[in-house]
Amino acid sequence: GAVVSQHPSWVICKSGTSVKIECRSLDFQATTMFWYRQFPKQSLMLMATSNEGSKATYEQGVEKDKFLINHASLTLSTLTVTSAHPEDSSFYICSARDLVLTFGNGTRLTVT
Amino acid sequence: DQQVKQNSPSLSVQEGRISILNCDYTNSMFDYFLWYKKYPAEGPTFLISISSIKDKNEDGRFTVFLNKSAKHLSLHIVPSQPGDSAVYFCAARRRTSYDKVIFGPGTSLSVIP
Repeated sequence: GAVVSQHPSWVICKSGTSVKIECRSLDFQATTMFWYRQFPKQSLMLMATSNEGSKATYEQGVEKDKFLINHASLTLSTLTVTSAHPEDSSFYICSARDLVLTFGNGTRLTVT
Repeated sequence: DQQVKQNSPSLSVQEGRISILNCDYTNSMFDYFLWYKKYPAEGPTFLISISSIKDKNEDGRFTVFLNKSAKHLSLHIVPSQPGDSAVYFCAARRRTSYDKVIFGPGTSLSVIP
């Protein structure tokens, strides 16, 4: 079946630094990928839709300058959390659609 | 405003018995509903789905029921197994947004051996 690989699985960074998270579709091409964020014991909240070759579409309330998304190829989307702060600590998950939405294993970001 | 609701944050069931997870939605534009299963520190895994033109879909031990008039769906797992212990997310898709899936808050299921 379709596989979405997300890297890294966890990262700890200092406040003020930037962190890049990669999302790859391993055996299919994905013109569209999605980035979610999950707070503890809460639902997955869609942050943005990543479109290959064009700008990402951000959900209301999500700062596009804070969460930079690049979808440079049909198999790779990246999310960069810029100038990270402790409140950005969360579980970030990407997904892409083959026959159904397939999710990566997520990235646990901790900002100290 | 939460469009997909799962009012039970947790559920405990004895192994071999039936697990029933409930979900309610408010947006009448939703036409496709999905259940995802999630283990800690992993991404959600697709489990089963149902289109709004159906009221039941079955796949092995998993059955999803849809009551459109009540805007309610449920996932039945029978018989429940310890490996079913996970968080289950109900999700819904709007007719005009094929990939934009809205998730509920999840129900944590514990199957007790």
